[in-house]
Amino acid sequence: AQRVTQPEKLLSVFKGAPVELKCNYSYSGSPELFWYVQYSRQRLQLLLRHISRESIKGFTADLNKGETSFHLKKPFAQEEDSAMYYCALVTGANNLFFGTGTRLTVIP
Amino acid sequence: DAGVIQSPRHEVTEMGQEVTLRCKPISGHNSLFWYRQTMMRGLELLIYFNNNVPIDDSGMPEDRFSAKMPNASFSTLKIQPSEPRDSAVYFCASSLVAGRYTEAFFGQGTRLTVV
Repeated sequence: AQRVTQPEKLLSVFKGAPVELKCNYSYSGSPELFWYVQYSRQRLQLLLRHISRESIKGFTADLNKGETSFHLKKPFAQEEDSAMYYCALVTGANNLFFGTGTRLTVIP
Repeated sequence: DAGVIQSPRHEVTEMGQEVTLRCKPISGHNSLFWYRQTMMRGLELLIYFNNNVPIDDSGMPEDRFSAKMPNASFSTLKIQPSEPRDSAVYFCASSLVAGRYTEAFFGQGTRLTVV
């Protein structure tokens, strides 16, 4: 069965410090992984997907199949990055599973 | 398009009552998901529909929960009878799956409180 694990429920960093939100997955097939973000009073929305290999709002995430990880990173945190972040996995049946989420707080 | 529309936004009900949550997906989308969000468990997938057919309902917690999608533009999640532990935010999301997976769009959620 598929599983997405985000070990940290809460993460606080100072503005300008590097950020890493951890995500590990287990899935027998070829995974498609995503990061979704929920800003205060806004809808949950897609941040980035691993197949695009893109940087969005300064965030990047690399799929490491050996470690079954998809950690989200940003070199310099900004106050506007404070939000709830969810790692997500799509199965071959196009089902979408989320981790438990990490609430990031950037301290000014 | 107004995006995924959920109603009501807030619902307070007494234990034992029936609760019905509603979702209108984005027009043209062929997949619909219901999730429950709590502090302890994050976003739990309850059920997934594709082309109005339930594909995976293994996340539905108990027989008290049921979901329907009578057509491509409407879905309901019903809890009968409701219990205090059902209190959570319930999200509906839709996406267009055509070969490769595409982005899921979420509604604003329904905050359910069972007293």
